[in-house]
Amino acid sequence: DIQMTQSPSTLSASVGDRVTITCRASQSISSWLAWYQQKPGKAPKLLIYKASSLESGVPSRFSGSGSGTEFTLTITSLQPDDFAIFYCQQYNSYPWTFGRGTKVEIK
Amino acid sequence: QVQLQESGPGLVKPSQTLSLTCTVSGGFIGSGSIYWGWIRQPAGKGLEWIGHIYISGSTNYNPSLKSRVTISEDRSKNQFSLKVTSVTAADTAVYYCAAVGSQNAFDIWGQGTMVTVSS
Repeated sequence: DIQMTQSPSTLSASVGDRVTITCRASQSISSWLAWYQQKPGKAPKLLIYKASSLESGVPSRFSGSGSGTEFTLTITSLQPDDFAIFYCQQYNSYPWTFGRGTKVEIK
Repeated sequence: QVQLQESGPGLVKPSQTLSLTCTVSGGFIGSGSIYWGWIRQPAGKGLEWIGHIYISGSTNYNPSLKSRVTISEDRSKNQFSLKVTSVTAADTAVYYCAAVGSQNAFDIWGQGTMVTVSS
């Protein structure tokens, strides 16, 4: 199985901050990576697919980059609605696997 | 706009079979999304892909569960289903149904349903 390692596991930030979350794959997954945001008690929401493509309706302050084994999710100006847990997921090969998540909390 | 809704028992006894159904509304299970799948999340933990059924009817399962899992579809009811046999407490989780579209990522999710395995 491809292991997805996210860092940091928790991130404390303030509204307006630029936030970067990293996801590393245990082997190359090309650009077959998605990012999701999950709020308490809710289903995950797709933010980014194919490493850098913004899902329709997602604010442009979210962006993704990377390929191969290293990927980043960036939020350019953190908003109050952005405090949540973010997960990366690879769909290059089966079984599809998720990272353990990065919790973005209020500083 | 396609929406998904999970349904099924919230409590299952150990060694029994967990059965959940996902009803698709606003679209047809035979078109649109490419895969119809299931993901689960134990309380306070991360997400685990269980498996999915392709629009052609073929399936892929997580090897960690493969021998116990079956995903099927019923086009007449516009539903797809999950069965997990021989459940234990480790199968206690929120179960989500989800759809994979042209982005090849899970772009539509159900609200999730909590399943507890306990006697």
